[in-house]
Amino acid sequence: KAGVTQTPRYLIKTRGQQVTLSCSPISGHRSVSWYQQTPGQGLQFLFEYFSETQRNKGNFPGRFSGRQFSNSRSEMNVSTLELGDSALYLCASSLLASSGANVLTFGAGSRLTVL
Amino acid sequence: LAKTTQPISMDSYEGQEVNITCSHNNIATNDYITWYQQFPSQGPRFIIQGYKTKVTNEVASLFIPADRKSSTLSLPRVSLSDTAVYYCLVRSNFGNEKLTFGTGTRLTIIP
Repeated sequence: KAGVTQTPRYLIKTRGQQVTLSCSPISGHRSVSWYQQTPGQGLQFLFEYFSETQRNKGNFPGRFSGRQFSNSRSEMNVSTLELGDSALYLCASSLLASSGANVLTFGAGSRLTVL
Repeated sequence: LAKTTQPISMDSYEGQEVNITCSHNNIATNDYITWYQQFPSQGPRFIIQGYKTKVTNEVASLFIPADRKSSTLSLPRVSLSDTAVYYCLVRSNFGNEKLTFGTGTRLTIIP
């Protein structure tokens, strides 16, 4: 079966612009979570969605937002881009939310470069 | 929320067994322990998951002592392709916790 698909894989933006990233989960998975990973850093949790509802949010400014659609696909948006937003953005899907026994399946990520 | 602590880095030679330990002193009754492997510029991928005692699959074993305050990922006979960052994640099966990964362990396999 198809894995988690993230688009675009690579993109370059300039400061002040905004960007939208997309994540299509594994068929049947209803939970999607997003992470930011910068060089040398671990996985920083952004937010988690389940059935179109945001279940949790990490410690990121309001410029970072997301949403989930009825087909479980999710998007995240970053407005007023800053140089420090350059990172690999990963999404993961799982069958359920808020469940430690649920395995996360990650996409390949979207690498954002802000100039 | 159980916080995890792992060694920042480890080196090992090819063919040896590697054990990576994750400390989670505040683990709660409903928490599960899951390990992920990440190669550069890729998303992490699931390795193994456990709740208590020992779990083994085709690629690794996971040892969890009775008090569950730590867990050890064991990789048998490592090869160069096992060079990666390994994360342990501790999360409850209930509630509404944030998905907080630790810093991970950068494992380097030496030929």
